[in-house]
Amino acid sequence: NAGVTQTPKFQVLKTGQSMTLQCAQDMNHNSMYWYRQDPGMGLRLIYYSASEGTTDKGEVPNGYNVSRLNKREFSLRLESAAPSQTSVYFCASSDPDWYRGAYEQYFGPGTRLTVT
Amino acid sequence: EDKVVQSPLSLVVHEGDTVTLNCSYEVTNFRSLLWYKQEKKAPTFLFMLTSSGIEKKSGRLSSILDKKELFSILNITATQTGDSAVYLCAVPAGGSNYKLTFGKGTLLTVNP
Repeated sequence: NAGVTQTPKFQVLKTGQSMTLQCAQDMNHNSMYWYRQDPGMGLRLIYYSASEGTTDKGEVPNGYNVSRLNKREFSLRLESAAPSQTSVYFCASSDPDWYRGAYEQYFGPGTRLTVT
Repeated sequence: EDKVVQSPLSLVVHEGDTVTLNCSYEVTNFRSLLWYKQEKKAPTFLFMLTSSGIEKKSGRLSSILDKKELFSILNITATQTGDSAVYLCAVPAGGSNYKLTFGKGTLLTVNP
């Protein structure tokens, strides 16, 4: 099992350009997430998808859109990149089990994005 | 608002030392607490704790939860240079099965 995979690993964009970050998981998880991680700010949730067909905003959704393509895939789109979006982006997946109290999420390797 | 506070923010030790990392939390409707290790890349899951006083152990790492005092500790014994990483603590956000509230992490550096 590959777990959670992300492409690309690195990307440099100019201000105003658009791009899509791809994420796929092979763990048959229902829920998927996009985070960004910045020095001193920790991990912040951008968007999540509780199940196929649903998406919801997280803590920092402005400037981003998402698509849950199917159960395996969840993409993050930057329509008009800004320097403030320079960050490391992580995709994660989980299968929350409220009965067991199991909420662990499994992370992909990350995409390092620089916007100049 | 849910809050997770980790201490210390950073720690430098020598190989063979024992370290204790702290995580305190404030969250409505507590369900569990999670520990992750983050080296250069993605956070990797270490432990999930749901009950007070029950130690979870994996090799030289162990963790325990105190739901009365609202904290958890992560112990690493006989540290090795490979233990150098950021250790993150997280709790499911109150009222959500999907959102995790993360602490800022503790940066552990183990010198040879």
